[in-house]
Amino acid sequence: DAGVTQSPTHLIKTRGQQVTLRCSPKSGHDTVSWYQQALGQGPQFIFQYYEEEERQRGNFPDRFSGHQFPNYSSELNVNALLLGDSALYLCASSLESASNQPQHFGDGTRLSIL
Amino acid sequence: AQTVTQSQPEMSVQEAETVTLSCTYDTSESDYYLFWYKQPPSRQMILVIRQEAYKQQNATENRFSVNFQKAAKSFSLKISDSQLGDAAMYFCARGNQFYFGTGTSLTVIP
Repeated sequence: DAGVTQSPTHLIKTRGQQVTLRCSPKSGHDTVSWYQQALGQGPQFIFQYYEEEERQRGNFPDRFSGHQFPNYSSELNVNALLLGDSALYLCASSLESASNQPQHFGDGTRLSIL
Repeated sequence: AQTVTQSQPEMSVQEAETVTLSCTYDTSESDYYLFWYKQPPSRQMILVIRQEAYKQQNATENRFSVNFQKAAKSFSLKISDSQLGDAAMYFCARGNQFYFGTGTSLTVIP
């Protein structure tokens, strides 16, 4: 049973660039959430996708956008990168049909901005 | 405000002893879920235990149990018979949009 997979593992970008992170949910899950985890902090909710639409959004600027595909996989896009965007980006999947069920997390993508 | 607070940045425990990690939260909802997650250095977040707010009985999973005080909005995690593999960051989270606390780093001393 494949868990949540994220790619790439590590990424280095410079200020002003754009980045796309990818996530495949756990088998059988249809909802994908994205989190930003700064060093030494807890994960901060970015947004959640269900049925290919953004269903909920945290307190992040429009530079952060996403997409969900018919196979439930998802992408996180960040435009005009800032130094403060350096963080571990976590993807988590769950079942929409069972709200408040535990989210299953991937290993994350470590994004470094130079 | 929908916040989760973990007031203990670091905790340590002797192997085989018991330790309790604290968590308080704020919510305007009457029905919600609470979770404890563990994040080892390998960084994948792993579910430890969850509690449904409408259930008065405290959740238990093997050596892990919670003390859920709904009126006080408190949700502490007790780890019994601590093992070296329990060493990790522990995050308390409130469900739905999943608000996480800032974490408690647990060290297990052999």
